[in-house]
Amino acid sequence: AQSVAQPEDQVNVAEGNPLTVKCTYSVSGNPYLFWYVQYPNRGLQFLLKYITGDNLVKGSYGFEAEFNKSQTSFHLKKPSALVSDSALYFCAVRLYSSASKIIFGSGTRLSIRP
Amino acid sequence: GAGVSQSPSNKVTEKGKDVELRCDPISGHTALYWYRQSLGQGLEFLIYFQGNSAPDKSGLPSDRFSAERTGGSVSTLTIQRTQQEDSAVYLCASSTNALVAIIGGGGYTFGSGTRLTVV
Repeated sequence: AQSVAQPEDQVNVAEGNPLTVKCTYSVSGNPYLFWYVQYPNRGLQFLLKYITGDNLVKGSYGFEAEFNKSQTSFHLKKPSALVSDSALYFCAVRLYSSASKIIFGSGTRLSIRP
Repeated sequence: GAGVSQSPSNKVTEKGKDVELRCDPISGHTALYWYRQSLGQGLEFLIYFQGNSAPDKSGLPSDRFSAERTGGSVSTLTIQRTQQEDSAVYLCASSTNALVAIIGGGGYTFGSGTRLTVV
C-alpha cells in the first residue's frame, strides 16, 4: 500500500536560515509527489509537484523540493526562511495509475522565529 | 464559483444527531474528494467522486458516513448518529479531471473546510 511519512512533527528555524521539511514515501510504481501548505485559519494550498523529469522542482513562495528515487524521499527546502513561512506542511503521494486519491502525510508544523 | 465552497464553516452538534456538510466545487471540475483532518492528525481520505459516481469510498470510517453528488456538482457528506470521535475538520477538494489535473494542474483545489464539533 502506498504511504507517506513525515518524520518530524515540528521544525524550528531561525529567520534567514535554510529550512528542510522531510518526506519519504512508499509506493509500488511511479509516484506523483506533492507539497501542500496550510496557513492558520486558511485552506490547504498547493505548493509544488513532481511528475517526471528534473529531480529538483521549484514551487510557490521560493520553495523547492528534491525527488530522490533511491532514497524514496521528497524533502521540501528553502534557502532562506521567512517568519511568514510558519505554517503546517503536508507531503502527499499519488500513484501514476491511480485515479482516486492522494495520500497525505501527517503534516509538519514549521515555525520560523525572528 | 472561483473556488471550492464549503458550508457551514463551523458546526456544533449534539452526540447522536445527524449532520450534513456541503461542498460546492469549482465549476467544471469533474472530480471531487472528501478528506478529514482530525486534531493532531494528517489528512484522511474519505471518498472520491468522478461525476456523480463514487469509484472509491474506501475511506468512509463506518456506515454512519455517506456521501452523494448530484448534477456532477454539489456534494453532501452526511454523518448519522454523530459521535465525539467524528469531531474534525472536513475538507472538500476538486480537480478538473482525476488524471489530467496531475499533469497540467496544481493537484487539487481545497475548500476552507467545515469544522465539526460533536458535544
